Amino acid sequence: GAVVSQHPSRVICKSGTSVKIECRSLDFQATTMFWYRQFPKKSLMLMATSNEGSKATYEQGVEKDKFLINHASLTLSTLTVTSAHPEDSSFYICSAMRDTYGYTFGSGTRLTVV
Amino acid sequence: KNQVEQSPQSLIILEGKNCTLQCNYTVSPFSNLRWYKQDTGRGPVSLTIMTFSENTKSNGRYTATLDADTKQSSLHITASQLSDSASYICVVTSNTGGGNKLTFGTGTQLKVEL
Repeated sequence: GAVVSQHPSRVICKSGTSVKIECRSLDFQATTMFWYRQFPKKSLMLMATSNEGSKATYEQGVEKDKFLINHASLTLSTLTVTSAHPEDSSFYICSAMRDTYGYTFGSGTRLTVV
Repeated sequence: KNQVEQSPQSLIILEGKNCTLQCNYTVSPFSNLRWYKQDTGRGPVSLTIMTFSENTKSNGRYTATLDADTKQSSLHITASQLSDSASYICVVTSNTGGGNKLTFGTGTQLKVEL
């Protein structure tokens, strides 16, 4: 199969702190992973494309310095929300593509900044 | 501009009944169309994928259709169950040579009641 694991599923942090979210492809290698943000009752919005061994590609309007992406290996990409503020509270989802399985999504991370 | 529109926005049906969700798209060039099920607080899970030449694809009680001429797709759910309550998202992939690009619909929120 094509399994993508995302951790943590929920996190609450204080305003001003940083939070790291991990996305792992468990049974395949992913040179490219994707990070999305989803607001309540809205569709997924692509934030950035994470490329193994190189810099991430960010969508227009997404702050690179606030949402740091690292894709150090073929099975792991991390998203760090730096100096988090309440407006960063959201549901973050990663995905990876594996051949004919197509895009597989992680289970998501609910971030609440208080 | 690539767009994916879904209807209805929300739907309530009784357990055991059938329902059909609609997806219209203006994505070009078309690569494939997927239907995903997203439970609240979870990542999307793929139900079906169809390429240009496929008219219908089934996955258990889920049957998707595709009319590439009219750029319409539908997802039919048979004998609904309470566990079918979720958001159903239509996602169209295009490949411009620079890589795949996903366009997400806003989803149909389905609620199955006793």
